[in-house]
Amino acid sequence: GAVVSQHPSRVICKSGTSVKIECRSLDFQATTMFWYRQFPKQSLMLMATSNEGSKATYEQGVEKDKFLINHASLTLSTLTVTSAHPEDSSFYICSLREGAGNTEAFFGQGTRLTVV
Amino acid sequence: AQSVTQLGSHVSVSEGALVLLRCNYSSSVPPYLFWYVQYPNQGLQLLLKYTTGATLVKGINGFEAEFKKSETSFHLTKPSAHMSDAAEYFCAVRVQGGNKLVFGAGTILRVKS
Repeated sequence: GAVVSQHPSRVICKSGTSVKIECRSLDFQATTMFWYRQFPKQSLMLMATSNEGSKATYEQGVEKDKFLINHASLTLSTLTVTSAHPEDSSFYICSLREGAGNTEAFFGQGTRLTVV
Repeated sequence: AQSVTQLGSHVSVSEGALVLLRCNYSSSVPPYLFWYVQYPNQGLQLLLKYTTGATLVKGINGFEAEFKKSETSFHLTKPSAHMSDAAEYFCAVRVQGGNKLVFGAGTILRVKS
């Protein structure tokens, strides 16, 4: 399957600081990118969807000014958690998809964010 | 809107026994259905998917699932469990032509030796 690289795998930051998470497709062009959040013992919750070159579409309840998503190219998307608080501590996973139709989505390895 | 229900948040089987993880979905339009596996602190890996055609789908690691429209189910099975199958499994649905994957709550599979 396609390779998706998500970095960093773990990050610890202080309250009030910002953290950037990168998601790269290494061998295909990702026309659509998704960011998910997963709390302990829970399922993945979609935060936002972005298409290359356009603004991300956020799910209800997700603050777009807090979770900044940039889909600058067909191989790179970033999620920036701004002014992080302890309640933002979670596992964040990106997912990339090439084209439309029944093409599958490929997932990054996830980023464990801990805000102290 | 689509939704996915996975019956049983935890399933425990003995090594060599049949694995059955249940998934029921709700969708007003024909769905695409997926099963993913997640190991601790890792992303998701696709096990198998149903889009169109044959309703019995074979995936990696000996897993298979059958799409039953009349029962709105897509249960995951494996004839003989291995210790390495211990992980969390997610069923997901996406409408045809749509972008969004909707996940079930997940089922943690434990394999006893």
